[in-house]
Amino acid sequence: GIQVEQSPPDLILQEGANSTLRCNFSDSVNNLQWFHQNPWGQLINLFYIPSGTKQNGRLSATTVATERYSLLYISSSQTTDSGVYFCAGKTGANNLFFGTGTRLTVIP
Amino acid sequence: EAGVAQSPRYKIIEKRQSVAFWCNPISGHATLYWYQQILGQGPKLLIQFQNNGVVDDSQLPKDRFSAERLKGVDSTLKIQPAKLEDSAVYLCASSLDLRGGVYNEQFFGPGTRLTVL
Repeated sequence: GIQVEQSPPDLILQEGANSTLRCNFSDSVNNLQWFHQNPWGQLINLFYIPSGTKQNGRLSATTVATERYSLLYISSSQTTDSGVYFCAGKTGANNLFFGTGTRLTVIP
Repeated sequence: EAGVAQSPRYKIIEKRQSVAFWCNPISGHATLYWYQQILGQGPKLLIQFQNNGVVDDSQLPKDRFSAERLKGVDSTLKIQPAKLEDSAVYLCASSLDLRGGVYNEQFFGPGTRLTVL
């Protein structure tokens, strides 16, 4: 399977700050998703983004498929953004491989 | 639209006991996945179904884990006998089907947190 590396592993932000999370893949992917795992463990879909740029409110994501990485931008962070952010990708018909996550803590 | 449903939400058992988890996918989703998430790690696929057939069970410890999706809708994952290292969150996910693109987007249920003592 593919290796998925996420950085940084931990991030502490003051409320209102912006941040960028990165995800690197060891191989080209044809399916890439970003998730937010809230403190109750629920994985919430943020983006399905195998290539290009998407925006949803304060969040946006960019995937550069040819260079095998994706970025998640969080602007004007809020305490409710706290949790673990995962990216996951798959190649061909293989299953979805997850990174180890970025743990975000937003302090008021 | 209802999301992926799972039960129970929490389960505590002694080692060597058996346990079963249930999942009902999003209506109309042909593909169903079971993942294991150990504390501090990302989810790892255990088994993948397309309708009632197994697509990938290469990571399923078949000596103790079994799963079925008899009618191609809901699914059950069983562990028998449980070991201490099975303590984890078991997540169920579903997607429309195996075609490429957005049809593959996976949606997750709330998970079952298993503690083996």
